Amino acid sequence: EVQLVESGGGLVQPGGSLRLSCAASGFTFSSYEMNWVRQAPGKGLEWVSYISSSGSTIYYADSVKGRFTISRDNAKNSLYLQMNSLRAEDTAVYYCAAEPVTGGFYWGQGTLVTVSS
Amino acid sequence: QSVLTQPPSASGTPGQRVTISCSGSSSNIGSNTVNWYQQLPGTAPKLLVYSNNQRPSGVPDRFSGSKSGTSASLAISGLQSEDEADYYCAAWDDSLTWVFGGGTKLTVL
Repeated sequence: EVQLVESGGGLVQPGGSLRLSCAASGFTFSSYEMNWVRQAPGKGLEWVSYISSSGSTIYYADSVKGRFTISRDNAKNSLYLQMNSLRAEDTAVYYCAAEPVTGGFYWGQGTLVTVSS
Repeated sequence: QSVLTQPPSASGTPGQRVTISCSGSSSNIGSNTVNWYQQLPGTAPKLLVYSNNQRPSGVPDRFSGSKSGTSASLAISGLQSEDEADYYCAAWDDSLTWVFGGGTKLTVL
């Protein structure tokens, strides 16, 4: 069973930085593509970033390009999101999502990031 | 403004069949498969349908997906009170991004 546990969220001031982590278990992490998806309070889902199973291919949403960096450590079964130059509009629950070759996302429980002074 | 268009709300009575639509374009639904997610209140999304019409293990066959051209649909038959949730469609876009619908809030009357 796919299990994903996010951590690292919290309150940060505008312009600040935060690093999110996602610990994976119950599946062969190195075979799955991974994504970060966020959900602002009371809003819908917004895709943030994608990383291939090997880490060689990476994509970002325009809203975070140049500020966020996705990475993974297959030896540690972990996914990361380094978030810099944070803005109020980045406030959201951030979900880690595993993407098998068959399709679809399996989701973690999410971690809340609040950007406020 | 979401790239994929869903009705903001839908409703039905227990036992009824309800359909939720998802409209896209040639660069997303028209050329890639569609996934559907269910988000119960206060919880993380859950995969309901993948690759247009495939159900993960454990998802009841009351839930079914279909796709035609640049549109897709999620049908829920034998509606139950526990189906009250937000439903999202998603597809890969050829601009190298995942795109989601704005979500449909399903109310069981």
